[in-house]
Amino acid sequence: NAGVTQTPKFQVLKTGQSMTLQCAQDMNHEYMSWYRQDPGMGLRLIHYSVGAGITDQGEVPNGYNVSRSTTEDFPLRLLSAAPSQTSVYFCASRTWDGDTGELFFGEGSRLTVL
Amino acid sequence: AQSVAQPEDQVNVAEGNPLTVKCTYSVSGNPYLFWYVQYPNRGLQFLLKYITGDNLVKGSYGFEAEFNKSQTSFHLKKPSALVSDSALYFCAVRPFNDYKLSFGAGTTVTVRA
Repeated sequence: NAGVTQTPKFQVLKTGQSMTLQCAQDMNHEYMSWYRQDPGMGLRLIHYSVGAGITDQGEVPNGYNVSRSTTEDFPLRLLSAAPSQTSVYFCASRTWDGDTGELFFGEGSRLTVL
Repeated sequence: AQSVAQPEDQVNVAEGNPLTVKCTYSVSGNPYLFWYVQYPNRGLQFLLKYITGDNLVKGSYGFEAEFNKSQTSFHLKKPSALVSDSALYFCAVRPFNDYKLSFGAGTTVTVRA
């Protein structure tokens, strides 16, 4: 199993550009989520999904869109990139079994917005 | 809303000495508590969790954590630290009836040889 796969690992954007961070998992996990990691702030939840066709907002959703058309994929879209979105982004998933499962994380995507 | 505090940005210990990383939390209702570790340029890896039952939880790589409901704490411990334990450690909490997992700011652990 590959686990949680994120692409790209690195990306540089100019202000105003749009892009999509890809996330795929092969563990048949119902729950998927996106976090951003900033120094001294830990991880903050952007959006999450509890199954195909179902998404909801986390703590810091502004400027980001998500969709969940399949169980495996959960892309994160930046509509118009801003320097404040410079961060490391992590996708994470978990099983829904018993609702006590731990999260499995991807390796991260480092985004710089100039 | 739930929150997590990790009062120490950095913890420095000598190899072979005990290691403690502190965590306190605030949540409505019963908490689910987790510890994760992050090595440089990697994603987070699960260490251990408290859901219910015994207050002392044992996890990966010789780590354990003690849940203290009265002090709302969930400190991570290791009896004898290794240089390879040097990493960034995150405590996380969510209520039993909510999907969202909230993380602390993280504590950088450095174990010197």
